[in-house]
Amino acid sequence: DAGITQSPRHKVTETGTPVTLRCHQTENHRYMYWYRQDPGHGLRLIHYSYGVKDTDKGEVSDGYSVSRSKTEDFLLTLESATSSQTSVYFCAISGPGGGFHEQYFGPGTRLTVT
Amino acid sequence: AQKVTQAQTEISVVEKEDVTLDCVYETRDTTYYLFWYKQPPSGELVFLIRRNSFDEQNEISGRYSWNFQKSTSSFNFTITASQVVDSAVYFCALSSQFTGNQFYFGTGTSLTVIP
Repeated sequence: DAGITQSPRHKVTETGTPVTLRCHQTENHRYMYWYRQDPGHGLRLIHYSYGVKDTDKGEVSDGYSVSRSKTEDFLLTLESATSSQTSVYFCAISGPGGGFHEQYFGPGTRLTVT
Repeated sequence: AQKVTQAQTEISVVEKEDVTLDCVYETRDTTYYLFWYKQPPSGELVFLIRRNSFDEQNEISGRYSWNFQKSTSSFNFTITASQVVDSAVYFCALSSQFTGNQFYFGTGTSLTVIP
């Protein structure tokens, strides 16, 4: 199994509060991704990173920001959480070919915004 | 536009039956990659297979097989002699030169295998 951890695994927060989710990998992979999974939508890409300090937006990036200061860590921040951001968040990594390689996923973080 | 359609939302089969999960994709790229993932009830996402657009050979891995047909833009997944452990949500995904590093996932098919 790919060495990917996510923290926290569960979080309940109130509307308007900032939230940061962390993804940590031990595989030294260049590409890292953040997805959200919602019923009826499958997985949708929020942001991804193709190297330290190099990030780009995905399909549903509004309301989210990311940072990658080290190869092994990719942070997802909700600056002011809203109820529509209640979801399960998955981090993924892939090899040097980026989208041409399979992605390996972390265990997920269940976020509830009340 | 890049799009993956999994029209079967839910499927139920009795154990030992064969079942095929459909995946239809759209892309204007000539170089692309297709993937299948499994998400069991425990919630993790497990990579099953990757296929590139230049390789239309079918693939078999144990009870799993994949049928890639460019003519119909389909990449279907068959489980032979299904087992209860096959109960999961299965996702098909697409990436291409045009989309760069982005994957596009279908909405998934929930398979229930009844003992």
